[in-house]
Amino acid sequence: DSGVTQTPKHLITATGQRVTLRCSPRSGDLSVYWYQQSLDQGLQFLIQYYNGEERAKGNILERFSAQQFPDLHSELNLSSLELGDSALYFCASSAMSTGELFFGEGSRLTVL
Amino acid sequence: AQSVTQPDIHITVSEGASLELRCNYSYGATPYLFWYVQSPGQGLQLLLKYFSGDTLVQGIKGFEAEFKRSQSSFNLRKPSVHWSDAAEYFCAVGAFGGGSNYKLTFGKGTLLTVNP
Repeated sequence: DSGVTQTPKHLITATGQRVTLRCSPRSGDLSVYWYQQSLDQGLQFLIQYYNGEERAKGNILERFSAQQFPDLHSELNLSSLELGDSALYFCASSAMSTGELFFGEGSRLTVL
Repeated sequence: AQSVTQPDIHITVSEGASLELRCNYSYGATPYLFWYVQSPGQGLQLLLKYFSGDTLVQGIKGFEAEFKRSQSSFNLRKPSVHWSDAAEYFCAVGAFGGGSNYKLTFGKGTLLTVNP
């Protein structure tokens, strides 16, 4: 158990819809990361938050947004969903000094 | 920007045989290097990491990796593979930017199949 909790574990929705994925980091970790894993793209970094502020952006689409709340949990919002958004979305957290990320078990999104 | 190459998409070994998974990275400074393992339907678990110091690092489950700066490599090894090692293995390089900016970049992964 990494200590990172993601909900929901599975989500099935239709094209054009909007979903929210939730992540609770390990106790004490201020940094949260979101990754997308798909068969064709592999593990792609989406975005990083540190103590409530956005710190780094990767290959995140404009239809996607994220935020980190004062209690340090984070949400990834995916809107106007397309078939190609079907993927496994991982959240990870870190204590910045160590550089290693601790991953949740992921949220599997299926867009039909 | 950093990048990671895992040349082998899929490797098959027999149980009890030795294993080496290759990883090459590109980064301008001394990198933070990691190997993660992902079992089907699971998240990523850290096997080992290299920050500095001894270039041969030991990890969990009997794995080790060697950092070779001259070759920009960080290959993962195990002397005797067990059937439970079948999984996908990811090499990653981490880099700190300014202002708490940190990015961990992954390779495409190597899928390991273990034959009985």
